[in-house]
Amino acid sequence: EIVLTQSPATLSVSPGERATLSCRASQSVSSKLAWYQQKPGQTPRLLIYGASTRATGVPARFSGSGSGTEFTLTISSLQSEDFAVYYCQLYNNWPFTFGPGTKVDIK
Amino acid sequence: EVQLVQSGAEVKKPEESLKISCKGSGYTFFSYWIGWVRQMPGKGLEWMGMIFPGDSDTRYSPSFQGQVTISVDKSINTAYLQWSSLKASDNAMYYCARTSSPWSGLDVWGQGTTVTVSS
Repeated sequence: EIVLTQSPATLSVSPGERATLSCRASQSVSSKLAWYQQKPGQTPRLLIYGASTRATGVPARFSGSGSGTEFTLTISSLQSEDFAVYYCQLYNNWPFTFGPGTKVDIK
Repeated sequence: EVQLVQSGAEVKKPEESLKISCKGSGYTFFSYWIGWVRQMPGKGLEWMGMIFPGDSDTRYSPSFQGQVTISVDKSINTAYLQWSSLKASDNAMYYCARTSSPWSGLDVWGQGTTVTVSS
């Protein structure tokens, strides 16, 4: 079973700054990786799939990169609505594990 | 509008059984996988398993195999997650979500069903 680790656990960022979140897989998942955003009390929302493709309606300030075992989610200029927890998830093979999440909070 | 609508919050006692539902609408239900995700209070997302309504192909995470049963009724566009004997540790929010075939991200989510197990 492939394990996903995310770093950092918490990222403190000022509005307007850039945020870089990392997701690492214990084995290659090719480009079969998705990123989700979850705000308190809300349902998760798909941001990125295929490691780098933005889901419908996702602002261009969100971008994903990487393949194999190393992946990055970048938020180019943080807006107030972007403070949330972000999860990566693999789907190259069963089970479709989630990472533990990175919390992005206000500095 | 594409949506998944889940059944309402449940309060149960330990050892009771439970079946919660997830009804799809606005798309071809049998062409997309439906997955179930657990979120315990204050914790992260956990993949439980999923089912393909087209042929009822079902996959479970090893952590949940034997603990829950995932099923589907294509005739009413509804997927289910059930427990035969609840434990206090089943206290959580449970989400259903769909993913395409071949697999992709979970692009549509249900609103979640809160399950509270307490004596």
